[in-house]
Amino acid sequence: QSALTQPASVSGSPGQSITISCSGTSSDVGGYNYVSWYQQHPGKAPKVMIYEVTNRPSGISNRFSGSKSGNTASLTISGLQTEDEADYYCSSYTTTSTLGYVFGTGTKVTVL
Amino acid sequence: EVQLVESGGGLVQPGGSLRLSCAASGFTFSYYWMSWVRQAPGKGLEWVANIKKDGSEKYYVDSVKGRFTISRDNAKNSLFLQMNSLRAEDTAVYYCARDEETRNFVNWGQGTLVTVSS
Repeated sequence: QSALTQPASVSGSPGQSITISCSGTSSDVGGYNYVSWYQQHPGKAPKVMIYEVTNRPSGISNRFSGSKSGNTASLTISGLQTEDEADYYCSSYTTTSTLGYVFGTGTKVTVL
Repeated sequence: EVQLVESGGGLVQPGGSLRLSCAASGFTFSYYWMSWVRQAPGKGLEWVANIKKDGSEKYYVDSVKGRFTISRDNAKNSLFLQMNSLRAEDTAVYYCARDEETRNFVNWGQGTLVTVSS
């Protein structure tokens, strides 16, 4: 099971929008609408920001949005704020050699 | 309030064994699949294993198959991970997490550190 592919880092200025991509295969991202995105600050447990490709859990800002096209999912953060600086991971349900989950390689978001 | 509290981590020699526990509270434990997710120091997240509500199905990432065993005790609201034949690359913080029906993890524990080193 190979990790989903994400850019190592993305940066933006406060107020700008950034997009993080997450590339997989037809056995994970492309095959199911079970893509989720997690935010992780240093020393903390991950926090789900998006689930089922586009859904936001209660309490998550509408500045966070998700989408998917083929085998690639994306997370967009609009109106970038300093507190958005963190690591972000995508995840997908997978049927590649098991029935479980695969995470992305992770993206460090820096607010300039 | 949902709470997940891991324990059992520590320092172990290569080839050794360790058993992690996760105590769950604040929800009906037997209604949910549960997972273990790990994170090596300075690295990304890796899903390790999950188990069905009644324990009848278990799935693992390839790298731990045959070495790790996930189990649960619904009467005691507890999740376990028996780790055998440990390797240096198993060094990580291990989180237990509740599987949602929407295939994501809303609730996580605080993690327990496993260090495999001689």
